Amino acid sequence: GAGVSQSPRYKVAKRGQDVALRCDPISGHVSLFWYQQALGQGPEFLTYFQNEAQLDKSGLPSDRFFAERPEGSVSTLKIQRTQQEDSAVYLCASSLGTLGGNTIYFGEGSWLTVV
Amino acid sequence: QKEVEQDPGPLSVPEGAIVSLNCTYSNSAFQYFMWYRQYSRKGPELLMYTYSSGNKEDGRFTAQVDKSSKYISLFIRDSQPSDSATYLCAMRENQGGKLIFGQGTELSVKP
Repeated sequence: GAGVSQSPRYKVAKRGQDVALRCDPISGHVSLFWYQQALGQGPEFLTYFQNEAQLDKSGLPSDRFFAERPEGSVSTLKIQRTQQEDSAVYLCASSLGTLGGNTIYFGEGSWLTVV
Repeated sequence: QKEVEQDPGPLSVPEGAIVSLNCTYSNSAFQYFMWYRQYSRKGPELLMYTYSSGNKEDGRFTAQVDKSSKYISLFIRDSQPSDSATYLCAMRENQGGKLIFGQGTELSVKP
């Protein structure tokens, strides 16, 4: 597709439920990022992939959060045993290369509400 | 203290006004500086990108970076109601992946 695609766009989960959020990056993009954006805040970095390698997961808030990109294209962010504080927009982004000057393109986000 | 500080606003201006948005940062390793615009319920979209210190102009938008002061600005001339959005500053080091964002400033341009 033309842009970064995320699904589902909206997800309501009961506390304790596991959720999986999918990201389809722009075709050919090497770098893939996940961000978490709380209401009224800027996006907070979660994790970064270069192809299938997860090079930085320093932003994952707990061991309930897990991300993968097994074939270097589609990525999934999984949240186990969801808590109310996990309610946020989860943004996926991709860029063509790995250097600092490469433009990072964002998807429209997956809106997660934990009730 | 956050690595990137941005006044959250909200900021309300009349149509045609000049808007000034600012961020300060603490990490001297940041080399790439961006401004993203985010409309309600949408993902951030890149507006301006600057490498190191200096100015960059694109139409009604001007981005300035002062690395000595660790301060970046975005100016919007002749603001339009369609400019109403949240503006996010973001920056990254020369190598490595992650962008660090400010909190975002909510801008409203009134007709």
